[in-house]
Amino acid sequence: QQPVQSPQAVILREGEDAVINCSSSKALYSVHWYRQKHGEAPVFLMILLKGGEQKGHEKISASFNEKKQQSSLYLTASQLSYSGTYFCGTVSTDSWGKLQFGAGTQVVVTP
Amino acid sequence: EAGVAQSPRYKIIEKRQSVAFWCNPISGHATLYWYQQILGQGPKLLIQFQNNGVVDDSQLPKDRFSAERLKGVDSTLKIQPAKLEDSAVYLCASSLIAGDDYEQYFGPGTRLTVT
Repeated sequence: QQPVQSPQAVILREGEDAVINCSSSKALYSVHWYRQKHGEAPVFLMILLKGGEQKGHEKISASFNEKKQQSSLYLTASQLSYSGTYFCGTVSTDSWGKLQFGAGTQVVVTP
Repeated sequence: EAGVAQSPRYKIIEKRQSVAFWCNPISGHATLYWYQQILGQGPKLLIQFQNNGVVDDSQLPKDRFSAERLKGVDSTLKIQPAKLEDSAVYLCASSLIAGDDYEQYFGPGTRLTVT
């Protein structure tokens, strides 16, 4: 089952913050976050494992609420380089090793 | 280290023709994935290899798509015959080990247009 991402798109000014949400109807083992710039390959950002941990990558951090089967990605003090499409990928507890990607959230950071 | 290599980068064919894509994963990566990414959507897993064995091909349209990974290194994905709805970017990815804790490294993709 494909995870649901929201919002579909967000436009930010440099320095502003944003939150991208990813939710699943299934119990999750892990959540993976990737960023894809136009015409390029997706690039790994971070993995969050069952246990509610938070992780960070530069000024991008994420949380994982396993009880709600949700993860949120936080873009703090956004930079122009943060523009791209962010995908969450989820692995449910009943399908080990099978990563299902959401439809993506397009982020545009303007000067 | 060298990344995941794919070729060709672009391919335009007519429907009912056949096409093949090639992928060379990062050296030492045991797991290889082929994804289909339709414009505006997230990548969709087509097939996953562990060394040269198939782990998951449940979403591979086997009547027209085939893939192999000989010797557990390079891989080829073939479509025969192609349909209009096969127009997409085909991404190859690899990871050190199969598992949920390991990041996947993606290649640049092959953009296929079927006319």
